[in-house]
Amino acid sequence: DAKTTQPTSMDCAEGRAANLPCNHSTISGNEYVYWYRQIHSQGPQYIIHGLKNNETNEMASLIITEDRKSSTLILPHATLRDTAVYYCIVRVSSNTGKLIFGQGTTLQVKP
Amino acid sequence: GAVVSQHPSWVICKSGTSVKIECRSLDFQATTMFWYRQFPKQSLMLMATSNEGSKATYEQGVEKDKFLINHASLTLSTLTVTSAHPEDSSFYICSAPPGTAYEQYFGPGTRLTVT
Repeated sequence: DAKTTQPTSMDCAEGRAANLPCNHSTISGNEYVYWYRQIHSQGPQYIIHGLKNNETNEMASLIITEDRKSSTLILPHATLRDTAVYYCIVRVSSNTGKLIFGQGTTLQVKP
Repeated sequence: GAVVSQHPSWVICKSGTSVKIECRSLDFQATTMFWYRQFPKQSLMLMATSNEGSKATYEQGVEKDKFLINHASLTLSTLTVTSAHPEDSSFYICSAPPGTAYEQYFGPGTRLTVT
């Protein structure tokens, strides 16, 4: 599975959009981009995933560049409860299902 | 939505004893479950893949004789930490894919402290 690079930490003001970048320059054509987050001392939570088109659900939007070498997770109106570590993971959807976590981005939403 | 539970949520044991952690899929069947370990301020590290009805697959560097995994039914996987030592103190998390391959559901984690 392709390796990802994320900033170590980011701050965001409550109510504003949080834009979390992820670089995956070695991504293969059949690899998806997944986002999970982990609130302190809890198990990770699935957020969203995509292949090449932009995706949106009730939690967030995922913007993937045309060359698929990077993506951005957007939380449109961040709240204090969105403070967490956000993990960008790239993997083939049809594989065994195991997830390899990188270091992620610690997002701190401030009032 | 799909729910995965773990029991216990936290456990304290003495060095040299064994501890069993349960992972259950509450509203779906899981032929595969995954076990992760997370040390403070670090990311999740995949330990092993638990396969219903067959042997678990361990990641490189994980001692299979120390971390015994049993997946006896389609809704239950157990991780037993044998002869636990203080360095085994960690946050253990399981996950399971609910049939669809694109997402996984994680348990709330078990905090193990070995004294």
